[in-house]
Amino acid sequence: DAGVTQSPTHLIKTRGQQVTLRCSPKSGHDTVSWYQQALGQGPQFIFQYYEEEERQRGNFPDRFSGHQFPNYSSELNVNALLLGDSALYLCASTEKTGEGSPLHFGNGTRLTVT
Amino acid sequence: QKEVEQDPGPLSVPEGAIVSLNCTYSNSAFQYFMWYRQYSRKGPELLMYTYSSGNKEDGRFTAQVDKSSKYISLFIRDSQPSDSATYLCAMSRTGGFKTIFGAGTRLFVKA
Repeated sequence: DAGVTQSPTHLIKTRGQQVTLRCSPKSGHDTVSWYQQALGQGPQFIFQYYEEEERQRGNFPDRFSGHQFPNYSSELNVNALLLGDSALYLCASTEKTGEGSPLHFGNGTRLTVT
Repeated sequence: QKEVEQDPGPLSVPEGAIVSLNCTYSNSAFQYFMWYRQYSRKGPELLMYTYSSGNKEDGRFTAQVDKSSKYISLFIRDSQPSDSATYLCAMSRTGGFKTIFGAGTRLFVKA
């Protein structure tokens, strides 16, 4: 039973560039959430996708956008990268949205912005 | 004030010790409470999941929720060096789409 998979594992970008991160949810899961985890901090909610729509968004600027595909996989796009965007980006899936379903995480993409 | 407060540690204990990890929260609407373990360079792994108040035990791990005090705990019995990791508390509310995490407590278990 494949868990949540993310690609790439590491990425180095220059300030001002754009980046796309990818995620495949755990088998049987249809809801995908993205989190940003800065060094020494807990994960911070970016947004959640269900049925190819953004269901809720955290306190992140419009530079952060996403997409969910019919097969439930998802992408996170970040435009105009800032040094402060350097973090571990985590994708998590659940079997249904809301109702406290626990998140199942991938191992993340470590983004470094120079 | 953060919605979820967690002491970042680090916490260092000898092998075999009982470990107590704690979080406090401010939002009384939280109904679902979770503990995750995160090893270095890995994603968080779900350890315990509880609904509302009470205790839940799974092997060496016990989770406690006291909603009246807005306080949750994770106990690890007979701690092992392999338990060395960061432990994240997390919680969400009914009908909510986001899970709120604490900052994580770094635990070191010395052999």
